[in-house]
Order: sequence, then C-alpha cells, then structure tokens
Amino acid sequence: SYELTQTPSVSVSPGQTASISCSGDKLGNKYVSWYQQKPGQSPVLVIYEDAKRPSGIPERFSGSNSGNTATLTISGTQAMDEADYYCQAWDSDIDVVFGGGTKLTVL
Amino acid sequence: EVQLVESGGGLVKPGGSLRLSCAVSGFTFSKAWMSWVRQAPGKGLEWVGRIKSKNDGGIADYIAPVKGRFTISRDDSRSTLHLQMNSLKPEDTAVYYCTTETLAPDYGSSWFDSWGQGTLITVSS
Repeated sequence: SYELTQTPSVSVSPGQTASISCSGDKLGNKYVSWYQQKPGQSPVLVIYEDAKRPSGIPERFSGSNSGNTATLTISGTQAMDEADYYCQAWDSDIDVVFGGGTKLTVL
Repeated sequence: EVQLVESGGGLVKPGGSLRLSCAVSGFTFSKAWMSWVRQAPGKGLEWVGRIKSKNDGGIADYIAPVKGRFTISRDDSRSTLHLQMNSLKPEDTAVYYCTTETLAPDYGSSWFDSWGQGTLITVSS
C-alpha cells in the first residue's frame, strides 16, 4: 500500500517561514492537497492540486511537489497558524491516502 | 454557505451496528461526490470511503479494513449521506467526518473542500 511520510513536528518563530514536508514514492507524479486542523476543530483545506489555494486561504500558504516530496510553505508564520497539518495524495491507483500529520508549533 | 451536519454517533458494543447521517445544504448534493474520513483519538486522518454522484454511477468505494462491514449510501431527495456501520470493532473508534470530494474536470485529482463538525463513535464493551 502507498504511504505518505510527514515529520511529526516542526517549530518556527513568528514571522519566519515554516516548511512542512510530505514524502512518498514518486509523489511528484500525483496531486497533493494539504489540510490544517486546529485542536477540537475539523480539518480545513489550505492547498489543493499541489499549489492552488482555495478562496479565503491567505497568500502566505503555498505548496510545491516534485520528485518524492511535497512541501507546504507558510511565509511570515503567525501564531494563528499553529495547528496540525496533513498532506493527502490521490491518483487512480492509490485512491486517497493521508500522511500521518505534522504538528506546527509557533514559538 | 455550505453546511454539513453529522449525526448518529455514540457508544456501541463490539459487534454492534450504528448508522451515521450527514445532512448537507448550500450546494447541489446530487451532483457531489461525498466521502467519510475518520480520526481515531489523538491520531491522524484516515479516508474511509466515498460515494460518487448518480451521474457518475453512484458507486461506493471503501478502504480494505471496512469493506464488507460499512456501507455508504445517499438520499439525493433529502440531501443526506449515510454511513451504515456493522460488525463494529474497537479499532473503528474515531470521530467520523462527512466531506465533499471535489474532482478536477479531467478526473486527475480530488480533494476534500468542505467538512462537517464530526461525530464520535466509541466501540467498547
């Protein structure tokens, strides 16, 4: 079965850039989405199709995907960005797979 | 405004059954692919399965651990999604989210853009 691997935790200082990675075999050949989940809340889509932002998602959220790694980048990280982030991949072979999640701490 | 409201969660004994519902509004339900995603306590997200729109065949897909035990159905006349869960196991304990699944026009990708608040299922004796 296909697996997506995420670093369990990432720390960043306010105003700095946070990079959250997601790795999988030939992940660059698949489309990746990213979800933000704050404690006690439902997940929110922040990036889809590798790099597209849904309406209402701040421009500081961006995504890329190449080779075996997809990356969610948060520029000028704010305290409100502290959350768990999950990558998700889809293709016709694997259907839907989520990564294990990364806890982003803004300190 | 898109709204998804799950109901039907609760405590059930191993081997028991439960039926979850998800009432939706704010979009054309009959045209939507709908999915269930679960999250065990303190764990990550796990896709459970989906049902395609009737226009796309109305077929349901499931992950292996629930295949044969869970059934996803839809009532387009009531804009409601259901998840019938039978032969429940302790490892099915989780918050279950109802989500919309949007497909790219070329069917080359999909993503989950609207989520309900979730409903907790606890399987324990």
